Amino acid sequence: ETVLTQSPGTLSLSPGERATLSCRASQSVTSSYLAWFQQKPGQAPRLLIYGASSRATGIPDRFSGGGSGTDFTLTISRLEPEDFAVYYCQQHGNSYTFGQGTKLEIK
Amino acid sequence: QVTLKESGPALVKPTQTLTLTCTISGFSLSTTGMRVSWIRQPPGKALEWLARIDWDDDKFYKTSLETRLTIAKDTSKNQVLLKMTNMDPVDTATYYCARTSHRGDSVFPFDYWGQGTLVTVSS
Repeated sequence: ETVLTQSPGTLSLSPGERATLSCRASQSVTSSYLAWFQQKPGQAPRLLIYGASSRATGIPDRFSGGGSGTDFTLTISRLEPEDFAVYYCQQHGNSYTFGQGTKLEIK
Repeated sequence: QVTLKESGPALVKPTQTLTLTCTISGFSLSTTGMRVSWIRQPPGKALEWLARIDWDDDKFYKTSLETRLTIAKDTSKNQVLLKMTNMDPVDTATYYCARTSHRGDSVFPFDYWGQGTLVTVSS
């Protein structure tokens, strides 16, 4: 099973700042099969990024994804109040696994 | 409009079998490329994929749980069912169903989710 490790566990930033979230895989992941999700309290996750770098429908362009192999990143260029949530990376090239999540909180 | 909705018991006893239903609308599981998965999330913890069923009735399970899981679909009712046997308190979680779709070479994993249903395992 491919283990995904996200860092940091918690990220404290202010609106307007830039956020960079990391996802490291225990073995190489084909970029086509790496996704990012956002989850707010009491809600289902929402697909943000698929194929490592493509934004899902309706996702603002302040969200961007990158990386390859075992190291992937989600960047939020300029934080809006509604962006504070938990973010999960996920791979679906070798079964399915999720990272443990990064909580993005208001500083 | 694509929607998925989970239903099932809120409380099950240890050793019992859990049966959950995902009712879909706005798409058909008989359409090539459509897939529905079950995913769970214990309170305050991360997401865990459990099982998937495809338009062609292929089925896939999380390796460590596959002896306990059965997934099936009833296309005529637009439903996907999940059975999990021998429930334990550690299986307490919100259970979600989610769609995966394809367009060309692109895969859109879990592009639509149900609202989730909380299942508590307790005597």
